[in-house]
Amino acid sequence: GDSVTQMEGPVTLSEEAFLTINCTYTATGYPSLFWYVQYPGEGLQLLLKATKADDKGSNKGFEATYRKETTSFHLEKGSVQVSDSAVYFCALSSNQAGTALIFGKGTTLSVSS
Amino acid sequence: NAGVTQTPKFRVLKTGQSMTLLCAQDMNHEYMYWYRQDPGMGLRLIHYSVGEGTTAKGEVPDGYNVSRLKKQNFLLGLESAAPSQTSVYFCASSYLGQEFYGYTFGSGTRLTVV
Repeated sequence: GDSVTQMEGPVTLSEEAFLTINCTYTATGYPSLFWYVQYPGEGLQLLLKATKADDKGSNKGFEATYRKETTSFHLEKGSVQVSDSAVYFCALSSNQAGTALIFGKGTTLSVSS
Repeated sequence: NAGVTQTPKFRVLKTGQSMTLLCAQDMNHEYMYWYRQDPGMGLRLIHYSVGEGTTAKGEVPDGYNVSRLKKQNFLLGLESAAPSQTSVYFCASSYLGQEFYGYTFGSGTRLTVV
């Protein structure tokens, strides 16, 4: 079945460092891909998405490119801030009616000043 | 504010007790979902609904029941709580065609079963 694999955390960075969180997927067909962010004590929020190969999703300085050849959707940010400290989830939609998003296990990011 | 509202936010149950978690959305979304979040496990789908009066099992449905009597509400029931059901529960909703829009999540219910 479809699945999502994320790099395990925690990821610890200093402010203004470059961030990469790896995400790879296994799916039949042409899934849509998402990154969600969960701040402490809150629910998940959609960060960005891409619905077809070579699409780049971006939001709040974060970017991810849908790479079908490597089945990847890595999250990047050029300069992280303390306020980016959160748990990040990669997710996949198989685009079949009546199916739900499949989430990775999440990667905790901690940014220190 | 528009969105997904979960009640209660916190609850402690004794083993064997029952309870119902309520999820309400005011966005006229067709689809609704219940997930549980456990350390190191990510989010796992319990049950979901593609419309009023319909429900379906997800990845980890055992020990839970759901109902969608009204489009805006999705209830998750635990008939006889067990310590293994200690978790944070999230409800989410989405439009038909969710692959383009993603989900809107509630803020979660933290349940402890002792």
